[in-house]
Amino acid sequence: DIQMTQSPSSLSASVGDRVTITCRASQDISNYLAWFQQKPGKAPKSLIYGASGLQSGVPSKFSGSGSGTDFTLTISSLQPEDFATYYCQQYKSFPVTFGPGTKVDIK
Amino acid sequence: QVQLVQSGAEVMKPGASVKVSCRTSGYTFTSYPITWVRQAPGQGLEWMGWISTYNSKTHYAQRVQGRVTMTTDTSTSTAYMELRSLRSDDTAVYYCARDLYSNYVDYWGQGTLVTVSS
Repeated sequence: DIQMTQSPSSLSASVGDRVTITCRASQDISNYLAWFQQKPGKAPKSLIYGASGLQSGVPSKFSGSGSGTDFTLTISSLQPEDFATYYCQQYKSFPVTFGPGTKVDIK
Repeated sequence: QVQLVQSGAEVMKPGASVKVSCRTSGYTFTSYPITWVRQAPGQGLEWMGWISTYNSKTHYAQRVQGRVTMTTDTSTSTAYMELRSLRSDDTAVYYCARDLYSNYVDYWGQGTLVTVSS
């Protein structure tokens, strides 16, 4: 199975900050990498596909980059509604696997 | 608009079975597979499996292989996930999601809480 890791596991940031989350795969997954946002008590929301493609309806402050084994999610200017947990996921092969998540909270 | 609406919360005894439904609307059901993901309380997301809504081919996670069955009913555009021999560590919120392409999911159901307790 492909293992996914994320760093940091949590971070505190202020409104307006630029935030970057890193995701690493245990083997080459090309660009088969997605990012999801989850708020407490809610279903995950799809943000990014193909490592850098923006899901329809997602604001452009979210961006993704990377290929192979190393990926990043960037939020350009953090807003109150962005405080949540973010998960990366590889979907290159079964079983699909998720990273452990990065919790973004208010400083 | 695309919607996935799941069945309500369940409380089950250890050893029992549970069947969660995921009723879809707003798109052609047989054009997109369905993925199931679960989340134990306070934990991360765990992929459980995938079913083709076109030919019912399935892929299951090893952790639930042998206890899970995913099915579809194309007449009602509904997907089902049945988990048998329930254990306390099966307590989780179960989500269905639409596979847009190549295992990438774009729309999610609201989740179904399954509690396993004696």
